[in-house]
Amino acid sequence: EAGVVQSPRYKIIEKKQPVAFWCNPISGHNTLYWYRQNLGQGPELLIRYENEEAVDDSQLPKDRFSAERLKGVDSTLKIQPAELGDSAVYLCASSLAGGGADTQYFGPGTRLTVL
Amino acid sequence: AQKVTQAQTEISVVEKEDVTLDCVYETRDTTYYLFWYKQPPSGELVFLIRRNSFDEQNEISGRYSWNFQKSTSSFNFTITASQVVDSAVYFCALISHSGYSTLTFGKGTMLLVSP
Repeated sequence: EAGVVQSPRYKIIEKKQPVAFWCNPISGHNTLYWYRQNLGQGPELLIRYENEEAVDDSQLPKDRFSAERLKGVDSTLKIQPAELGDSAVYLCASSLAGGGADTQYFGPGTRLTVL
Repeated sequence: AQKVTQAQTEISVVEKEDVTLDCVYETRDTTYYLFWYKQPPSGELVFLIRRNSFDEQNEISGRYSWNFQKSTSSFNFTITASQVVDSAVYFCALISHSGYSTLTFGKGTMLLVSP
């Protein structure tokens, strides 16, 4: 069974440029998560989707970050404009359902460098 | 509020040594789940184990074993006869059963196994 797929794996941009990350979750997983992982830290949740609905976006910096999950499968996370402090690894995860009962499985992440 | 503490930032061992990674957690919930993930240099978070708060049985999987003790709020991870391929950052994480809870990670412990 295929795992969580993310692209691109690496992205280098200059500050003020836009950037987008794509995620395809494990087939049949209704819940999708976007995390940001800063160097030397554990991942921190940005947004969680239950099917097409964003049920927790309290940690998403809405002035520059946006996300969508059309049709309840693939998802895209966008940053516009990017700032130096956005350099991090952006991880996508999925689980069968939300809440704590289901294990979250992670993709390989996108390493973003903002110059 | 939830909190996970991994006090060991980095551990270095020589191959075939046993090593224990510590994890201490805080939560007010009575039903919760604990996880360990492995993050090799490639960056992907690999799920290792999940335990629920009602199951304090220790678990062994090959060279890996986990010791869950509610009395000390700890969920420690031991690798027996470590190998170079075990070199990675290991994260302990916690989520409550509530649908509104998020997966909270510790800062991780970097394990370096030298030949």
